[in-house]
Amino acid sequence: DIQMTQSPSTLSASVGDRVTITCRASQSISSSLAWYQQKPGKDPKLLIYRASTLESGVPSRFSGSGSGTEFTLTISSLQPDDFATYYCQQYNSYWTFGQGTKVEVK
Amino acid sequence: QVQLVESGGGLVKPGGSLRLSCAASGFTFNDYDMSWIRQAPGKGLEWVSYISNRGGTIWYADSVKGRFTISRDNANNSLYLQMNSLRAEDTAAYYCARVKAVAAVFDFWGQGTPVTVSS
Repeated sequence: DIQMTQSPSTLSASVGDRVTITCRASQSISSSLAWYQQKPGKDPKLLIYRASTLESGVPSRFSGSGSGTEFTLTISSLQPDDFATYYCQQYNSYWTFGQGTKVEVK
Repeated sequence: QVQLVESGGGLVKPGGSLRLSCAASGFTFNDYDMSWIRQAPGKGLEWVSYISNRGGTIWYADSVKGRFTISRDNANNSLYLQMNSLRAEDTAAYYCARVKAVAAVFDFWGQGTPVTVSS
């Protein structure tokens, strides 16, 4: 099974900050990596797939990069609506999610 | 617009059964693969099961294999998850999700239906 590890687990930030979340796969997954945003009590929202392709309607302040085993999600300028939990997910072999990164108000 | 609405969750005793349903609308259901994903209270996301658009390919997570059965009714735009031999660790919100056509990711999710397994 492919394991996904995100860091940090919690991130404290302010509006306007540049935020970076890292996701590591236990083995190479090429570019089969997606990022989701989830707010409390809501279903997850797809942000990025193929490691760096922005889903339609997602603001351009979100970007993704990486391949193989190391990936990052960057929010270039954090907005009030971005405080949420973010999950990476591999889809190279079935589907596995990271444990999540909560972005909270500093 | 795409809508996925789950139903059928509830409280069940260990060893019991439940059948979840997911009603799809706003897209051509039989063109899309579908999945179930769950989230235990306060925890992360766990993929549970997948079914291809015509039902010819089905996969399960090891944690539910042999206990859960995924199915679909394309005539009625519905997805199902039959859950048997339920355990306390199956307690979670269960989401149905559409698999994006161009990449095997989940582009639309339902609001989730809660399942609690407790005596």
